[in-house]
Amino acid sequence: DAGVIQSPRHEVTEMGQEVTLRCKPISGHDYLFWYRQTMMRGLELLIYFNNNVPIDDSGMPEDRFSAKMPNASFSTLKIQPSEPRDSAVYFCASSLGGGDSDTQYFGPGTRLTVL
Amino acid sequence: GNSVTQMEGPVTLSEEAFLTINCTYTATGYPSLFWYVQYPGEGLQLLLKATKADDKGSNKGFEATYRKETTSFHLEKGSVQVSDSAVYFCALKGSGAGSYQLTFGKGTKLSVIP
Repeated sequence: DAGVIQSPRHEVTEMGQEVTLRCKPISGHDYLFWYRQTMMRGLELLIYFNNNVPIDDSGMPEDRFSAKMPNASFSTLKIQPSEPRDSAVYFCASSLGGGDSDTQYFGPGTRLTVL
Repeated sequence: GNSVTQMEGPVTLSEEAFLTINCTYTATGYPSLFWYVQYPGEGLQLLLKATKADDKGSNKGFEATYRKETTSFHLEKGSVQVSDSAVYFCALKGSGAGSYQLTFGKGTKLSVIP
């Protein structure tokens, strides 16, 4: 399997623009997670899905952030409008199940810079 | 809530030195514990894990033992290589229904010099 795929790898945009990050989980995995990584706050869980349904979005920082999973092989994280403080690396991860020992596999991340 | 505390870095070691990165946690019940590694410009990769007390996870010469009595999961390697230079994250996953998310430590950057 190719692993978790994210696109784009790098995104530079201007404040106020809409940004869409994309993720393709590992085939057969039922759980999908979106994380944000910054120097100040480390790795934070934003939202996760089970069988395409959002389960917990309590980590989504503001209404400017939204995430969807229209099918088992695709998810998007959208920021509208973007702000400089949204600059971070965004990771997508997937896991086969939700059991205590189920491993989450991470994608390479999207480095977002908002000017 | 759950939390993970790692020793602050950066850590700089000479090749073949012994490595210890401390990790302690706070959680209810019986969490699973993980070490992830992030190489420059890449995503996180699972390095090792342990799912119950006294379990030892091991991979690529790295080891960590789940110590419930001290709520610790310290990462060790007997002889580091330059290729081990990376950021290491300790993480836990809570037990019980609904505990699907990982809680990460801040990460410890390791630099190994020849």
